[in-house]
Amino acid sequence: QVQLQESGPGLVKPSETLSLTCTVAGASLTNSYWSWIRQSPGKALQWIGYIHKSGSSDHNPSLKGRVVMSVDSSRNQFSLKLDSVTAADTAVYYCARFLEAGYRYFDYWGQGILVTVS
Amino acid sequence: EIVMTQSPGTLSVSPGERATLSCRASQALSSKLAWYQQKPGQAPRLLIYGASTRATGIPDRFSGSGSGTDFTLTISTLQSEDFAVYYCQQYNNWPLTFGGGTKVEIK
Repeated sequence: QVQLQESGPGLVKPSETLSLTCTVAGASLTNSYWSWIRQSPGKALQWIGYIHKSGSSDHNPSLKGRVVMSVDSSRNQFSLKLDSVTAADTAVYYCARFLEAGYRYFDYWGQGILVTVS
Repeated sequence: EIVMTQSPGTLSVSPGERATLSCRASQALSSKLAWYQQKPGQAPRLLIYGASTRATGIPDRFSGSGSGTDFTLTISTLQSEDFAVYYCQQYNNWPLTFGGGTKVEIK
């Protein structure tokens, strides 16, 4: 059974960098694509970006280049950094997996972590 | 960016009845559409991918249909555990985008 768990600070000051880590159990980071998705309070889901162990990555252009993602295979973790945060970045952040490049739907999700920018 | 529009925003249904949820894309998707269910305080759960294929462990009362720009999720006989918010997601183009959701509530 694949399990994902987000971790990181729940409170970030405006203009600082939001940093989150997702720890994966039950699957190797090698064979899948790993994403971050967020959900502002009472709002819909927004895809932030993905990373693959090969180094390929992409992110949502609406985030204007503020996103950096990385993989740590030795710890079976991947991470998100979001620069220059504002109150608009307050959201529940989920990490999730999609299996293959042509099948970019999310079959496993973490439970989510609320990050407040204030 | 492909815009996904879901309707209605809220659907009031009695247990045992059928629920029909719609999702429309601003561009053709082929069949690259997924549906998720989200309950309060929980992460979304994958229900349907490829517009009509149920994910592992999803009951057969959930069915998906459609292609191109218009898609439907049908819950044939609503159970108490089905009252939740449902989202569609396209994966035909980058960036991946979600619809605004349909809340299925008890009538």
